[in-house]
Amino acid sequence: EAQVTQNPRYLITVTGKKLTVTCSQNMNHEYMSWYRQDPGLGLRQIYYSMNVEVTDKGDVPEGYKVSRKEKRNFPLILESPSPNQTSLYFCASSSWGQGVNTEAFFGQGTRLTVV
Amino acid sequence: GNSVTQMEGPVTLSEEAFLTINCTYTATGYPSLFWYVQYPGEGLQLLLKATKADDKGSNKGFEATYRKETTSFHLEKGSVQVSDSAVYFCALSEGFQKLVFGTGTRLLVSP
Repeated sequence: EAQVTQNPRYLITVTGKKLTVTCSQNMNHEYMSWYRQDPGLGLRQIYYSMNVEVTDKGDVPEGYKVSRKEKRNFPLILESPSPNQTSLYFCASSSWGQGVNTEAFFGQGTRLTVV
Repeated sequence: GNSVTQMEGPVTLSEEAFLTINCTYTATGYPSLFWYVQYPGEGLQLLLKATKADDKGSNKGFEATYRKETTSFHLEKGSVQVSDSAVYFCALSEGFQKLVFGTGTRLLVSP
């Protein structure tokens, strides 16, 4: 079954404690990206990757890091989380060629609370 | 920059009612347009898309037409069901790697 898997689904952490949210896809997609979803703001892109070892900033990259060492994995790293990073996070992937112009596949989301 | 504006929700309807969710966009160039749906506790799923002006996307009884002259992509369904209750996002593509989303519209359908 084609899917994008995120872990964990729920996470409560304290300010400043480094964390990683994992994302893995089994569709051999080149494009992967991270979005955060906040009430009244919709989804905003944090980072994206066009292929292994190729990453770039989206609209709201401050406070986040990513890496793309393998095609299937695209972890999101918060080195020093702060309460304003409390949000619902989604990983997405899409294929080469037309990328998001065909279809983006989303994970189930990670609800992060930073206290 | 590019942006998408959706009507505020929630939209509350009775089963079998007609649905319209308005979406307008601002964009340079000719983006593709999408409707994604988010069911409770799940990620977003593509509902339908249109890649050029006057294209009509359709799926599961939902339809939307890419109107370049009014920069709109309104979502319609003739008869909603309780199972259609979800959050609906209008979006446009910015290049190959990014979707620009509206704020989402929650639809609540009662029996």
